[in-house]
Amino acid sequence: GENVEQHPSTLSVQEGDSAVIKCTYSDSASNYFPWYKQELGKRPQLIIDIRSNVGEKKDQRIAVTLNKTAKHFSLHITETQPEDSAVYFCAASIGQAGTALIFGKGTTLSVSS
Amino acid sequence: NAGVTQTPKFQVLKTGQSMTLQCAQDMNHNSMYWYRQDPGMGLRLIYYSASEGTTDKGEVPNGYNVSRLNKREFSLRLESAAPSQTSVYFCASSVVYYEQYFGPGTRLTVT
Repeated sequence: GENVEQHPSTLSVQEGDSAVIKCTYSDSASNYFPWYKQELGKRPQLIIDIRSNVGEKKDQRIAVTLNKTAKHFSLHITETQPEDSAVYFCAASIGQAGTALIFGKGTTLSVSS
Repeated sequence: NAGVTQTPKFQVLKTGQSMTLQCAQDMNHNSMYWYRQDPGMGLRLIYYSASEGTTDKGEVPNGYNVSRLNKREFSLRLESAAPSQTSVYFCASSVVYYEQYFGPGTRLTVT
């Protein structure tokens, strides 16, 4: 079946450092790639997404890059803050219709001050 | 505008019991989804409904059934609960290729 691999599973950084999370996907038809943040005990919430016709997208301290040839995409968080501590999930749309998403297993980011 | 709502919030079942998890959205979204979340496993898709009247299996459909009752409501049924179905269940809705909005989740324990 289709698969999304996410690395690393845990990431610890100092406040102010950058954090990078990487994902690879298997379905060559995937064309929508969202990133979700989940704080402890809360529901996942979208932080940024990218579509296959775009190579990079930025929103303040967060950026996502996509390499369709290599089937990988990455989340970059600059100037990390303690409130960035959470679990981050990447996902890729499935198949031609792209109705559903397959999620990676998540990265626990800890930002220490 | 409540977004996505789920009931119940918590449930404890004995092995073999059945139950239905309810989900409703008021955002006029066509697509709805059920996920389960287990520690270290991420969000795994159980079933989804691309539009009213259609349902499709996801990654882990065994032991579950779904009903898309109307455009707003999408229910998940466990016919004979097993301890392996202990998990947090999330419902979500979306317009295709746009943000999925998640409900608050149901924490289910099967003993």
